[in-house]
Amino acid sequence: ETGVTQTPRHLVMGMTNKKSLKCEQHLGHNAMYWYKQSAKKPLELMFVYSLEERVENNSVPSRFSPECPNSSHLFLHLHTLQPEDSALYLCASSQDHTGTTEAFFGQGTRLTVV
Amino acid sequence: AQKITQTQPGMFVQEKEAVTLDCTYDTSDPSYGLFWYKQPSSGEMIFLIYQGSYDQQNATEGRYSLNFQKARKSANLVISASQLGDSAMYFCANPIGGSARQLTFGSGTQLTVLP
Repeated sequence: ETGVTQTPRHLVMGMTNKKSLKCEQHLGHNAMYWYKQSAKKPLELMFVYSLEERVENNSVPSRFSPECPNSSHLFLHLHTLQPEDSALYLCASSQDHTGTTEAFFGQGTRLTVV
Repeated sequence: AQKITQTQPGMFVQEKEAVTLDCTYDTSDPSYGLFWYKQPSSGEMIFLIYQGSYDQQNATEGRYSLNFQKARKSANLVISASQLGDSAMYFCANPIGGSARQLTFGSGTQLTVLP
């Protein structure tokens, strides 16, 4: 496999559920990201990991919990979400987190909270 | 605050014609880059083209080119010979500082190519 792969592609969950989004990259990149894309809003950066260490957390509520066990995998653990958290969640990776190299994105997980 | 602005929520272009998508940015960094991404209805963000602020020439990549005007802080994407498959959302992005210079995206332009 190549590129950035996200699973699942679609997820419907209740507000009391706990679920996890998975992202995997086979590009040998050192930085990984979670973005949230809501309707009619720009992409919002949620978390940045560089070499498995979190380097940025953009005031994301604690009901979103990221995990980066190694440089190829990134998870987003979800619990007690709200309907307004329904969005497309995009994972990306890049060679480093300096912003000078392009980021490659997965196809996203479309999350619906009911 | 540093930001990226895309003023065209939607654009239409006839197949085989050229189209320009606008992007302006506001940065105080002496060195920076601009990225353009395409997002089809499938959701994936596809990297198209990159322009570095110190690049002497405008970036080109196949049918994509950048009209980079540093003094005006604009980096407009030009798509030549539009194809039906070009219909998608297009995002301009700029790495903005912090502990990690992460990409910050504009609000996007929905391009529709008409047959």
